[in-house]
Amino acid sequence: EAQVTQNPRYLITVTGKKLTVTCSQNMNHEYMSWYRQDPGLGLRQIYYSMNVEVTDKGDVPEGYKVSRKEKRNFPLILESPSPNQTSLYFCASSLSFLGGPTEAFFGQGTRLTVV
Amino acid sequence: QKEVEQNSGPLSVPEGAIASLNCTYSDRGSQSFFWYRQYSGKSPELIMFIYSNGDKEDGRFTAQLNKASQYVSLLIRDSQPSDSATYLCAVKTPGGSYIPTFGRGTSLIVHP
Repeated sequence: EAQVTQNPRYLITVTGKKLTVTCSQNMNHEYMSWYRQDPGLGLRQIYYSMNVEVTDKGDVPEGYKVSRKEKRNFPLILESPSPNQTSLYFCASSLSFLGGPTEAFFGQGTRLTVV
Repeated sequence: QKEVEQNSGPLSVPEGAIASLNCTYSDRGSQSFFWYRQYSGKSPELIMFIYSNGDKEDGRFTAQLNKASQYVSLLIRDSQPSDSATYLCAVKTPGGSYIPTFGRGTSLIVHP
């Protein structure tokens, strides 16, 4: 089954404790990205990657890091989480990003709470 | 600053009616337009995309694009209670970054 898998689904952590949210896709997609979704603000892109070892900032990259060492994986790293990073996070992937669908597949989401 | 505007709703329609969802965008160079459906607590699901002016139909869904007026709409015919969700409009502009801009979504309620 074609899917994007995020882990964990729910996470409560404390300020300053480094964490990683994993994202893996099994569709051989080149394009992957991370979003956060906040009430009243909609979906905002954090980082995206057009292929292995190629990443770039989205609209709200501050406080986040990513890496793309393999085509299937695109982890999101919060080196020192703060309460304002409490949000619902989505990973997404797409086979085509020029003239084709945007993020055709989203992961299930990770609800992060930083206290 | 690229903007994508949607009425937050909720838009309430009776079962069997046509639901009309609208989206306007600010960047006249935008070329790719997408509609996603998001059920409460779930991830967005791509339901339609459109690149050319005019209408594009897929089952009960029709996307309409008018680049001159900078709006894109989604019509849902024969609305069902299962269509109750938030509908997100997304817009991409070619060249440079590949950052799509999402609207904040319109909540649709289809009541029996």
